[in-house]
Amino acid sequence: QSALTQPASVSGSPGQSITISCTGTSSDVGGYNYVSWYQQHPGKAPKLMIYEVNNRPSGVSNRFSGSKSGNTASLTISGLQAEDESDYYCSSYTSSSTLVFGGGTKLTVL
Amino acid sequence: EVQLVESGGGLVKPGGSLRLSCAPSGFTFSSYSMNWVRQAPGKGLEWVSSISSSSSHIYYADSVKGRFTISRDNAENSLYLQMNSLRVEDTAVYYCARERDSYKIDMWGQGTMVTVSS
Repeated sequence: QSALTQPASVSGSPGQSITISCTGTSSDVGGYNYVSWYQQHPGKAPKLMIYEVNNRPSGVSNRFSGSKSGNTASLTISGLQAEDESDYYCSSYTSSSTLVFGGGTKLTVL
Repeated sequence: EVQLVESGGGLVKPGGSLRLSCAPSGFTFSSYSMNWVRQAPGKGLEWVSSISSSSSHIYYADSVKGRFTISRDNAENSLYLQMNSLRVEDTAVYYCARERDSYKIDMWGQGTMVTVSS
């Protein structure tokens, strides 16, 4: 049950696009289309942003999108806004019927 | 209001026990699988355990297997996490979380802090 691998930090200027990667194995990310992404502001509970690799829950901006290639999933945020500055976590269903999270990525909007 | 409210956190010595509770409201609790997810201070999210709607399927992270027990009472609308043999590394905010189809967590509680220290 090793955590999925995410970059510790990414940054971008307002209006730009950024991508956060999430690398696992064929037993989790690569084996299932059950990758989710969560946004967490300091001191708050996480919020679901993307599910099933590339689906957005109702109310989530279409500036957020997801994709997957092999064992790596990605979250892309386009048209960066100051309010996007947050921690982001990926998660995946695993072959052991468990969930696994990534280590988290701190997004800084410059 | 649709929400999850955790309780039961606190300060406990290493080797001690604690029982967390989660009270759901605003939705049909018995229809959903539920999870516990924790977050150590300044660290990332760590999945702890899950239980299916009827309690027929229960899973644990390796880090807590044999020490923690998840359970639920659908008649009483409650989710529990019994934590035994607590270790310093179990110190974290523990979140109660609702799981929807396709293994996505669409609702989180506000969390309850568990501190294991001598």
